[in-house]
Amino acid sequence: DQQVKQNSPSLSVQEGRISILNCDYTNSMFDYFLWYKKYPAEGPTFLISISSIKDKNEDGRFTVFLNKSAKHLSLHIVPSQPGDSAVYFCAVNPAGKSTFGDGTTLTVKP
Amino acid sequence: NAGVMQNPRHLVRRRGQEARLRCSPMKGHSHVYWYRQLPEEGLKFMVYLQKENIIDESGMPKERFSAEFPKEGPSILRIQQVVRGDSAAYFCASSPSLMNTEAFFGQGTRLTVV
Repeated sequence: DQQVKQNSPSLSVQEGRISILNCDYTNSMFDYFLWYKKYPAEGPTFLISISSIKDKNEDGRFTVFLNKSAKHLSLHIVPSQPGDSAVYFCAVNPAGKSTFGDGTTLTVKP
Repeated sequence: NAGVMQNPRHLVRRRGQEARLRCSPMKGHSHVYWYRQLPEEGLKFMVYLQKENIIDESGMPKERFSAEFPKEGPSILRIQQVVRGDSAAYFCASSPSLMNTEAFFGQGTRLTVV
């Protein structure tokens, strides 16, 4: 039973356009959500997070939206840049450890 | 401030051998997590440790796998009698506190069992 699902394995967008990555979770008790970015042969790096008391958190080009009723979060990147091409993982961390989705590979074309 | 250091980066073992993966957390971090990433999959939680204590090992296979985080020195993930299915990337992460903070990941150890 997968607690965190990223249903799109891949996404391709044009440079300058918006990238929207989606994530669904199953447990309404989750209260903290994170996005990580991963380049090949490297470890994940933290990107942005959101607490369940908020529905939006913004950091520069990155915005995370949380829809608690739908148990859905999304990451918006605007404008997208070729350097954003990577695998993006959403994660939830009950009890101090994170449960990750399977990731979405984002390709930003110049 | 050095990041999370994992070594080796690549490890090749024959079936039946032992694999030892090391992780030095960031300075000041007392919480260490190990994750495994199989090909085409996400990161799967294995174990969470604090100094000298295993806090949560719910993701660890019941046999052949063990982890420790001694008072001095790095955290060690040990896999005995490796099999081909153990081939994966193993990532270590650390954090300064328990709840609701991001973790800082090392670059991983890619284990190949031949």
